[in-house]
Amino acid sequence: KAGVTQTPRYLIKTRGQQVTLSCSPISGHRSVSWYQQTPGQGLQFLFEYFSETQRNKGNFPGRFSGRQFSNSRSEMNVSTLELGDSALYLCASSLLEGGAATEAFFGQGTRLTVV
Amino acid sequence: GDSVTQMEGPVTLSEEAFLTINCTYTATGYPSLFWYVQYPGEGLQLLLKATKADDKGSNKGFEATYRKETTSFHLEKGSVQVSDSAVYFCALSDLGSSNTGKLIFGQGTTLQVKP
Repeated sequence: KAGVTQTPRYLIKTRGQQVTLSCSPISGHRSVSWYQQTPGQGLQFLFEYFSETQRNKGNFPGRFSGRQFSNSRSEMNVSTLELGDSALYLCASSLLEGGAATEAFFGQGTRLTVV
Repeated sequence: GDSVTQMEGPVTLSEEAFLTINCTYTATGYPSLFWYVQYPGEGLQLLLKATKADDKGSNKGFEATYRKETTSFHLEKGSVQVSDSAVYFCALSDLGSSNTGKLIFGQGTTLQVKP
């Protein structure tokens, strides 16, 4: 069974631009979460989607948004990029059992560099 | 809010030494607890988990016991190898009460094992 796939692996963008990152979860997993990892702040939760609906959102500005498609694939978008958005963005998928998510399986991440 | 505190690193050990990485948590509900490992340039891999008090998670020689009375989930391994060098993250997920896959992570502990 294929794991969580994130594309692209690396991105370099200029301040002010926008970027879209993609995540394909493990087959059968309907919950997708996104995390930002930086040396200073560590791993921070961005948002979670289940059945195309955002179930939970972290404490990030509105420039960060996401969506989930009917096939459970998810995208996150960051608009008006700032230098501080440079980070490793990780996607995780989870299987739902009894309405609750089980352990999360992570992709390899997208390394975003804003210059 | 919920939080996780890990011992600061880096931790440097010689091969075959005993490893302990301390982790304590604060949560209002009944969280599940996890240890994830991150190798250089990779995403996170689930190392072990425990879903209720007194549960012991184990995998690849690593163990951790869910201690509700001390709100702790310390990671241990009896004999580390060079290949264990990585960053270790303690995390909690309050699956029961919030029904989401959101994970709250500690800051991570870097382990370096020398031959």
